[in-house]
Amino acid sequence: AQKVTQAQTEISVVEKEDVTLDCVYETRDTTYYLFWYKQPPSGELVFLIRRNSFDEQNEISGRYSWNFQKSTSSFNFTITASQVVDSAVYFCALSEEMGYSTLTFGKGTMLLVSP
Amino acid sequence: EPEVTQTPSHQVTQMGQEVILRCVPISNHLYFYWYRQILGQKVEFLVSFYNNEISEKSEIFDDQFSVERPDGSNFTLKIRSTKLEDSAMYFCASSGTGGYGYTFGSGTRLTVV
Repeated sequence: AQKVTQAQTEISVVEKEDVTLDCVYETRDTTYYLFWYKQPPSGELVFLIRRNSFDEQNEISGRYSWNFQKSTSSFNFTITASQVVDSAVYFCALSEEMGYSTLTFGKGTMLLVSP
Repeated sequence: EPEVTQTPSHQVTQMGQEVILRCVPISNHLYFYWYRQILGQKVEFLVSFYNNEISEKSEIFDDQFSVERPDGSNFTLKIRSTKLEDSAMYFCASSGTGGYGYTFGSGTRLTVV
């Protein structure tokens, strides 16, 4: 069975601080995919990134970066120089294979960025 | 950019009533899904649909739930007799071959009173 753990329930930072959201996963498959989604107060799920298990390169997209480490089964997400608009709930998710596979979500981390 | 469209955005219904939540997946996608998020909780898988049949369902997806693709574009979730605990945000999603473009709709907030 697959499982995603986001141990941080809520994080509060002041604008311009860097913040890292942790994600630890469990799966028996060798091929799997990891995702991060942002859920702003309006409620929709905004796709941020998808990474497959064979690609351990870290990725940077603007102020966002992701650190994938298979050795520790972690896929952490860092926001550099946080902004108030980053305030949202962030979900990490795991899919054991693509195609018709389901996503297993973590419980989410609520990020509050204050001015 | 292609998107998954869900209607209505918010629905209020009385307990015991039937509701149908509607979704228009991305046109060239092959796999369709429904997920549910009770307020303040995580997103949970309900059902996946491929080639006009259910490919997987969770234990949440009991006999009160059904899905249908009545035509070439719509994908619906029906709850036959709603309960208070069905109040949640329901997300539709679709994906293409190999799971590319796994995209969620903006959700339907269902409130059962």
